Amino acid sequence: DTEVTQTPKHLVMGMTNKKSLKCEQHMGHRAMYWYKQKAKKPPELMFVYSYEKLSINESVPSRFSPECPNSSLLNLHLHALQPEDSALYLCASSQVLSGTTGGYTFGSGTRLTVV
Amino acid sequence: DAKTTQPNSMESNEEEPVHLPCNHSTISGTDYIHWYRQLPSQGPEYVIHGLTSNVNNRMASLAIAEDRKSSTLILHRATLRDAAVYYCILRLPVQGAQKLVFGQGTRLTINP
Repeated sequence: DTEVTQTPKHLVMGMTNKKSLKCEQHMGHRAMYWYKQKAKKPPELMFVYSYEKLSINESVPSRFSPECPNSSLLNLHLHALQPEDSALYLCASSQVLSGTTGGYTFGSGTRLTVV
Repeated sequence: DAKTTQPNSMESNEEEPVHLPCNHSTISGTDYIHWYRQLPSQGPEYVIHGLTSNVNNRMASLAIAEDRKSSTLILHRATLRDAAVYYCILRLPVQGAQKLVFGQGTRLTINP
């Protein structure tokens, strides 16, 4: 299995809702990432997990709450979002850094619309 | 974070080679150069990476300048399916993981 699977593919939520995005990989990668991508912009790093522990939080607002319950799963819990949070949310995974480490594998993303 | 500079857009013809340039003058000795591409409505896709030597794989070739301050991604025979945004990125080691910070990228158009 060489894929990163993200669910759902599309999500519409109200500003008072709580929802979760899910990401799964079975490549044995121990680093996982969340990115946010607005239309016609490059992806922006949000969170980095290494060995199931939060390694980096790029000053993301607390209405976004990541969780890594095991080495194959990464969740992003959403609460009280704003319309400007509407974007494509991308999950990625990689080997933990080594000299010969290859690249990230990205999922196809969850397109989130906040109404 | 170290930064890369790419042209906003490039255009080429089908079945011709394409050379996509990237400048990274602030690269440090341990930064790997990564290239990704993103097709419409998809997540980014890994293309190739290198440190100092030129690299080839089934998708592309990567030519790295001797001083490592620039690199060029080479698509040997472009097809319509190669139309995408191409990102040149410096991979930064950080706390047991990799950190890829995307620049603006180059939007490649392939003409039939």
